[in-house]
Amino acid sequence: NSKVIQTPRYLVKGQGQKAKMRCIPEKGHPVVFWYQQNKNNEFKFLINFQNQEVLQQIDMTEKRFSAECPSNSPCSLEIQSSEAGDSALYLCASSLGTYQDTQYFGPGTRLLVL
Amino acid sequence: GEKVEQHESTLSVREGDSAVINCTYTDTASSYFPWYKQEAGKSLHFVIDIRSNVDRKQSQRLIVLLDKKAKRFSLHITATQPEDSAIYFCAASRPSSNTNKVVFGTGTRLQVLP
Repeated sequence: NSKVIQTPRYLVKGQGQKAKMRCIPEKGHPVVFWYQQNKNNEFKFLINFQNQEVLQQIDMTEKRFSAECPSNSPCSLEIQSSEAGDSALYLCASSLGTYQDTQYFGPGTRLLVL
Repeated sequence: GEKVEQHESTLSVREGDSAVINCTYTDTASSYFPWYKQEAGKSLHFVIDIRSNVDRKQSQRLIVLLDKKAKRFSLHITATQPEDSAIYFCAASRPSSNTNKVVFGTGTRLQVLP
């Protein structure tokens, strides 16, 4: 069973508000991923890190989304100005490496933007 | 970019029968194919994966087949049980990006009927 911890489980924000969620990867997993799962079960990769370094991120992430994985602190994903279309399940996953390594997912943060 | 398609959005089988979920992918460079299970209101749970150096892998009642020529892979669940009822997601990733970002299908809802 996955030991990835995500908080909070639910987040309700108004449009234009900041939304911040956190993730603690499995112990010993240096690689962390953030995905967005919408109500149609479409997944979108947002960003990933190896230790504190960004490996890859998509354009959407570069604009309103910010993320970090500081040393000895939880990783975080923050939406600077929430939009209705951001309502989704945000999933954090961690893995041992970046080459065909299994990703283990946390329970997710369900964001609702009113 | 890579696209992963799941051909059955829903699948119903009788308890004890086998269930087969089929996926296709577009990127010939993809070499890692994990499967995840998502129960209602829960996160993604890793079930099994296959790498492109083999064409078959079995773990207890789960069998994954990979046909690289056809760019197709499938999950076979034998002797289905009610607790197998869930949404199953297939995914694919390519190693060359060095990020192990996975691309997901949109899921197959499996219902195991008593």
